[in-house]
Amino acid sequence: QKEVEQNSGPLSVPEGAIASLNCTYSDRGSQSFFWYRQYSGKSPELIMFIYSNGDKEDGRFTAQLNKASQYVSLLIRDSQPSDSATYLCAVTGTASKLTFGTGTRLQVTL
Amino acid sequence: GAVVSQHPSWVICKSGTSVKIECRSLDFQATTMFWYRQFPKQSLMLMATSNEGSKATYEQGVEKDKFLINHASLTLSTLTVTSAHPEDSSFYICSATTSGRAAGTDTQYFGPGTRLTVL
Repeated sequence: QKEVEQNSGPLSVPEGAIASLNCTYSDRGSQSFFWYRQYSGKSPELIMFIYSNGDKEDGRFTAQLNKASQYVSLLIRDSQPSDSATYLCAVTGTASKLTFGTGTRLQVTL
Repeated sequence: GAVVSQHPSWVICKSGTSVKIECRSLDFQATTMFWYRQFPKQSLMLMATSNEGSKATYEQGVEKDKFLINHASLTLSTLTVTSAHPEDSSFYICSATTSGRAAGTDTQYFGPGTRLTVL
């Protein structure tokens, strides 16, 4: 079983719609949860981090964490073509080491 | 804030040569730096964790004698790929963490990456 799982996609949403990206993790001891955006050929860019159960909002982005279900999600409101990228879910366990999912490719269509 | 740079951004070398990649934290002191490798259409794979002034901790399957890591200061870590071969061609990315920032003590900030091509 993979430690961090994501649907590889592509997830296609029309411009202006809400994109919902999901991630599950296997280590119940995981403490911190991150969403990174990676454009093709570029390195990951931090979008959001979340530590506590519930929702955390930052602009058009909302991260949701449910530790009981070992589930973290990212909602992108009013999706724009520039949001088209691969979104990486990452989880930290011990020693601040990040374990990445394989990423979900998002396509925002005009 | 939290800017990490890498140099070079890309490099092409002949098989058997060594390549050094630098990773710098520009506006903060990095307590820990990480080195990742990413092959096309795959996720990032952690190679090693580097703390300033101490030996790097390598992940299972990563050859420490082939991938030499030096973390000379709180703002600089280097990765040297020794005797590079075509199978070492990849996208190498460093990241850095620090303490006391609003984003949390374990948030990693990534450099722009170095694309290595070994002929």
